[in-house]
Amino acid sequence: DIQMTQSPSSLSASVGDRVTITCQASQDINKYLNWYQQKPGKAPKVLIYDASNLETGVPSRFSGSGSGTDFTFTISSLQPEDIATYYCQQHDNLPYTFGQGTKLEIK
Amino acid sequence: EVQLVESGGGLVKPGGSLRLSCAVSGFTFSDYSMNWVRQAPGKGLEWVSSISGGSTYIYYADSVKGRFIISRDNAKNSLDLQMNSLRAEDTAVYYCARDRRRTPNGAFDVWGQGTMVTVSS
Repeated sequence: DIQMTQSPSSLSASVGDRVTITCQASQDINKYLNWYQQKPGKAPKVLIYDASNLETGVPSRFSGSGSGTDFTFTISSLQPEDIATYYCQQHDNLPYTFGQGTKLEIK
Repeated sequence: EVQLVESGGGLVKPGGSLRLSCAVSGFTFSDYSMNWVRQAPGKGLEWVSSISGGSTYIYYADSVKGRFIISRDNAKNSLDLQMNSLRAEDTAVYYCARDRRRTPNGAFDVWGQGTMVTVSS
């Protein structure tokens, strides 16, 4: 199975800050990496698909980059409504696997 | 509006069975692969199973292979997960999720609200 390692596991930042989360795959997954946002008690929501494509309707302050084994997710200017846990997920090989999550809090 | 609505969760004893359903609306169901993804309390996300639009391709996580059966009825716009020989470690919120493509791809673009399954004596 492909292991997905996210860092950091938790992050505290101020409104307006630039926030970056990284995700490393245990083997080459090309561009097949998605980023999800999950708010407490809610279902995950896709923000970025195939490493860098912004899902329709998602604010442009969210972005993703990378290919191969190393990927980055960025919020350019943190907003209060961005408080959530963020997950990366690879869909290059079965079984599809997720990172352990990054819990984002407001400082 | 695209909607996925899960049902069928509940409390079941170890070794028991439960059948989850996901009713969909707002899109042509047969054009998309569908999936089940679960989340144990306070834990991360785990992919469980996928089924292609025409039910030709079916995949399972090793943790549920031989115990869970995924199926769909395109005429009824419904996805099911038959869960047998349940274990305590199957306790989780179960989400149905749509794939972007007819063939399973693992790119989940729409999710239901989830249904809770608790396996306990």
